[in-house]
Amino acid sequence: EVQLVDSGGGLVQPGGSLKLSCAASGFALSSFWMAWVRQAPGKGLEWVANINQDASTKYYVDSVKGRFTISRDNAKNSLYLQMNSLRFEDTAVYFCGRWGGGTWLDYWGQGTLVTVSS
Amino acid sequence: QSALTQPRSVSGSPGQSVTISCTGTNSDVGGYNYVSWYQQHPGKVPKAIIYDVSERPSGVPDRFSGSKSGNTASLTISGLQAEDEADYYCCSYAVISYVFGTGTKVTVL
Repeated sequence: EVQLVDSGGGLVQPGGSLKLSCAASGFALSSFWMAWVRQAPGKGLEWVANINQDASTKYYVDSVKGRFTISRDNAKNSLYLQMNSLRFEDTAVYFCGRWGGGTWLDYWGQGTLVTVSS
Repeated sequence: QSALTQPRSVSGSPGQSVTISCTGTNSDVGGYNYVSWYQQHPGKVPKAIIYDVSERPSGVPDRFSGSKSGNTASLTISGLQAEDEADYYCCSYAVISYVFGTGTKVTVL
């Protein structure tokens, strides 16, 4: 059974850092593009970042470029999101997702809440 | 990377059909056949119900269908059921990035 388990969220002050993790099981992580998607409280979904199978290609939404870094460790079946210089507007539930077929998110993690507050 | 435009809400009675539009540009919706739709119940994880404009993942009822014309994609729910009450989001490939729609709340009257 395919499973994605998100972790690492919490309360952080503006300007602080946090690293999210996504543990994958039930499939070969090395075969898929992966993504992070976030959802601010009461708001819609926002794509945050993509990473290809061997981590040679990474894409980000403009609002996080230079602050967030997506990475992966296929040997550990894990996806990561390093978030630096956090802002109030980064407060959201962060979901990891698998790009099934490369064009749609066929599996999602349960989400982890990041709260940026002073 | 502006969000795709969806109506804020649509509603219908059980058994009726509703259609949700998703309007973008020729740099996203209009440029590629990579539109997907996600259903999200309150407090739950989004679930894919349509991919590549009109394909249904295994296990998704055939009352959900997708289409596209120009820069606008559409999701139609036929034979509306109580459990279809949820938020729906479209998503499109947009050249090295992806963009979601603003979201539509479907209410079953």
